[in-house]
Parts: sequence; C-alpha cells; structure tokens
Amino acid sequence: GIQVEQSPPDLILQEGANSTLRCNFSDSVNNLQWFHQNPWGQLINLFYIPSGTKQNGRLSATTVATERYSLLYISSSQTTDSGVYFCAVSINQFYFGTGTSLTVIP
Amino acid sequence: SAVISQKPSRDICQRGTSLTIQCQVDSQVTMMFWYRQQPGQSLTLIATANQGSEATYESGFVIDKFPISRPNLTFSTLTVSNMSPEDSSIYLCSVPGSDGELFFGEGSRLTVL
Repeated sequence: GIQVEQSPPDLILQEGANSTLRCNFSDSVNNLQWFHQNPWGQLINLFYIPSGTKQNGRLSATTVATERYSLLYISSSQTTDSGVYFCAVSINQFYFGTGTSLTVIP
Repeated sequence: SAVISQKPSRDICQRGTSLTIQCQVDSQVTMMFWYRQQPGQSLTLIATANQGSEATYESGFVIDKFPISRPNLTFSTLTVSNMSPEDSSIYLCSVPGSDGELFFGEGSRLTVL
C-alpha cells in the first residue's frame, strides 16, 4: 500500500499563532483529503484536494500531486483547533497518514 | 455530502462478549467502509461492505472476528466478536461521496475490560 507520513507528529501552539502541517505520500494518488479529529473522536472533513489550493476561513490547503505532498495551513489558531489532523490519500482505497496532534493553548 | 449515524456512540464491554455496531446513511450508497482506530493510532480499513455480496476484508481482519451485514443500500452492521482488551478502539463507518470524497459517522468508542 501507499505510505503516508505526516509532520510534525505533535505541535503545541499559543492561541493566535499560525502553523503548517505536511503530508507526504509515496505514490501517485487520485484523491487526497484532510480531516480534523476532535477530542470526542469524530472525523470532520476539512478539504478534498487532489491538487491545487483551497481556502476555507482560517484554513487553507495546497496539494502538489507531482511532488507527492500536501500542506495544511492554520492561521490565527484557536483552542477549538486542538485535536488530531489526518491526511488520507487514495487509489483504490483510502490510506490514512500518521496524524499530527495539535494542542492550542490560551 | 452524506449524513451517517452510528450506534452505539460508546460502550464498555466484558471480554469474551460480542458487540454489534450499526451504521445508517441518509442516502443509498453502493459501498460502505468500516475502519478501526486503536488508541493513539491512525485509521485502518477493516473491510468494504457491498450490498448483496460478502464483505471484502483487508489483510489482518477475518470474517469470524468481524462479521459484517449489509442488508440494503443505507444500512450496515459490524460485529466485534469474542472481544479482548486489544479490541478497545474507535470503530468508524464511512461512505464515499459522488466525487470520491469520504464521509464518516461519529464513531463508536469501544472499551473492553
């Protein structure tokens, strides 16, 4: 299967700070998604972004498919941004990354 | 996007028992996926449930341990059989959208004592 590595594995931010999360994958893929898993375990769709750049409020994402990576930008972080961020890529099935655990402190 | 409901949201079970998790989708879908997330880990695909046929299991998962039913295009169940503490996980149901985007239910957090 495809290897999906995320960095950093853990991140602690002061409220209001900006951050960049990275997702590297080992092979060409058809789809790529970013998810936020809240402290209750629910997975929330952030972006469906096989290529290009998308923005949604304080969040934006860029995927460079030819170089096999994607970036998730979080600006002006809030405590509610805390949780684990996963990227997932797919050819025939979805493969999930190792995750980045984000803690935003007030 | 699909709205997916899972039951139970959480449960505490004794070892050796079995638990069935239900997944209900608000629209008809061909494929439904069941994932497991062990504590502190990423998500791993257990199986793909297709209506009218046997589920397709991923390496490391077997039907005797994780039997799946798919009686219609909006509903599926996953049973975790003969549970041990190692089965303590979040179990998640998901479905693909029309363009391939994946949507998840709220998850079922299972603790086995």
